[in-house]
Amino acid sequence: EAGVTQFPSHSVIEKGQTVTLRCDPISGHDNLYWYRRVMGKEIKFLLHFVKESKQDESGMPNNRFLAERTGGTYSTLKVQPAELEDSGVYFCASSQATGEAFFGQGTRLTVV
Amino acid sequence: GQQLNQSPQSMFIQEGEDVSMNCTSSSIFNTWLWYKQDPGEGPVLLIALYKAGELTSNGRLTAQFGITRKDSFLNISASIPSDVGIYFCAGPNAGNMLTFGGGTRLMVKP
Repeated sequence: EAGVTQFPSHSVIEKGQTVTLRCDPISGHDNLYWYRRVMGKEIKFLLHFVKESKQDESGMPNNRFLAERTGGTYSTLKVQPAELEDSGVYFCASSQATGEAFFGQGTRLTVV
Repeated sequence: GQQLNQSPQSMFIQEGEDVSMNCTSSSIFNTWLWYKQDPGEGPVLLIALYKAGELTSNGRLTAQFGITRKDSFLNISASIPSDVGIYFCAGPNAGNMLTFGGGTRLMVKP
């Protein structure tokens, strides 16, 4: 069974550009989460989807971040326009109803 | 919001030594989780604790859920080079959203 996969694994963009991160959850997992770890700090929750619906987006830093999960399968997280402080590792995780959350390998975003 | 304070931030030990790290919280968690992140990978669950006072082992790893439900520790015995990585404590909230500690970076010298 394939795990959670994220694309790209690395992205280097200039300040002001747009970047879209993608997450493919484990098949059959209705719950999908986005997290972010900025340099040296804790992993912080961004938002939670149940199927295609946003259940909790309280962790989204500002309106430059837009997450979607059309059809309740894969999810995208778009940052537009990117700022220097957006640099970090973005993790996606998926789970069944109340089970263990499985994490993807992360996307390392560097904004220069 | 809830915060988990994890210590130490980093450890550099000799292969074969035992390791201990801990997490404390200002609020109660009903579940404590310990994850490990290998370089270039995402966090992987090592141990889950569901009951105050619970002591659980997974191979050379042992974790305990504090009686007050506000703390937990993780011990690694007889460390080996592949134990290198970042260890995170975490607690789930409503909706299974995780609050993470700041991580403990473990380095093992062969």
